[in-house]
Amino acid sequence: KAGVTQTPRYLIKTRGQQVTLSCSPISGHRSVSWYQQTPGQGLQFLFEYFSETQRNKGNFPGRFSGRQFSNSRSEMNVSTLELGDSALYLCASRTSGTGYTGELFFGEGSRLTVL
Amino acid sequence: GQQVMQIPQYQHVQEGEDFTTYCNSSTTLSNIQWYKQRPGGHPVFLIQLVKSGEVKKQKRLTFQFGEAKKNSSLHITATQTTDVGTYFCAAYNNNDMRFGAGTRLTVKP
Repeated sequence: KAGVTQTPRYLIKTRGQQVTLSCSPISGHRSVSWYQQTPGQGLQFLFEYFSETQRNKGNFPGRFSGRQFSNSRSEMNVSTLELGDSALYLCASRTSGTGYTGELFFGEGSRLTVL
Repeated sequence: GQQVMQIPQYQHVQEGEDFTTYCNSSTTLSNIQWYKQRPGGHPVFLIQLVKSGEVKKQKRLTFQFGEAKKNSSLHITATQTTDVGTYFCAAYNNNDMRFGAGTRLTVKP
């Protein structure tokens, strides 16, 4: 069974640009969540999608958005990039429908550098 | 809102020594998970604890969930170099989930 796939793995952008990251969950997983990981702030929850609906959202500005498609693949977008957006963006999938238990399966991440 | 504190932030041990990381929440948790992230890698699920006072073991790893379901610990007996990495707790309070800041473990051979 293929794992969670994130693309691109590495990217460099400049301030003011926007970026779109993609995540393909494990087959059969309908929940996809996104996290930002930085040395200073650790792992921070961005949002979670289930069946194309945003189920939960973390405390990030509106520049961070996401969506999920009918095949459970998900994208997240960051507009008007700032230097502080440089981070490893991790996507995770799981099977759970109701409730929030169930292990998270993480992808390798997309490392974004903003210059 | 829910606050999750994980200590220590760093731990450096000699191979063979024990290691413990603690996760404390300001609110009662529904469940807690533990993850390990190797350097340059992504978090990998280790265990989930749900019941008050629950203790689970995986070889040299022992996981505990407090009686009040507000704290948890991960203990590694006789560390090995393969244990190197950052250990995170993921604390769930119904619909709210927070990761601890992580404990970075280094092991000197």
